[in-house]
Amino acid sequence: GESVGLHLPTLSVQEGDNSIINCAYSNSASDYFIWYKQESGKGPQFIIDIRSNMDKRQGQRVTVLLNKTVKHLSLQIAATQPGDSAVYFCAENSGGSNYKLTFGKGTLLTVNP
Amino acid sequence: SQTIHQWPATLVQPVGSPLSLECTVEGTSNPNLYWYRQAAGRGLQLLFYSVGIGQISSEVPQNLSASRPQDRQFILSSKKLLLSDSGFYLCAWSFKASYEQYFGPGTRLTVT
Repeated sequence: GESVGLHLPTLSVQEGDNSIINCAYSNSASDYFIWYKQESGKGPQFIIDIRSNMDKRQGQRVTVLLNKTVKHLSLQIAATQPGDSAVYFCAENSGGSNYKLTFGKGTLLTVNP
Repeated sequence: SQTIHQWPATLVQPVGSPLSLECTVEGTSNPNLYWYRQAAGRGLQLLFYSVGIGQISSEVPQNLSASRPQDRQFILSSKKLLLSDSGFYLCAWSFKASYEQYFGPGTRLTVT
């Protein structure tokens, strides 16, 4: 079964607000995590990744935080825009050497204008 | 730059009919290749992955099979489709020794 799950299946925010999407993982051997954005009817797109030797990584308007103590991952989107509306997935490598990812179920983010 | 293609984009097939979905990658050599299935409103389930020509690993027992006849071509097949095979099929690739996967546009399969 899946070892990566999400706390909130849906999230609705106002345009301009910050969004936080959470993810819990259960495999302590996982050392690589990645966030994907999937718009309706399309394939997932890479957003940002983080390795377990880091606690925080920033990209353009996005920040990923990793708390290894409680096995928690979050994606923060600053100044959320309508174009950010999508399903967001976290994924982990489960510590394997075969370069496979295990995906969570996803969170639907809706941005209201 | 690299691109990944999938076809067809949509497909409606009757139960018991065969299936062949194709995925090709351009702009890179010897990639890792992956097939996922996504049920409506659900996450991605890894079906197969391949590290080279003719090398296929199956993740879940199922009615499907995969083949990699060429370095940058990955094919998903079935001899007889089931209703439960309906879903959104995604192909992805990654560089060797990399976890970051790049996804294709997907194929929406409806089995009737």
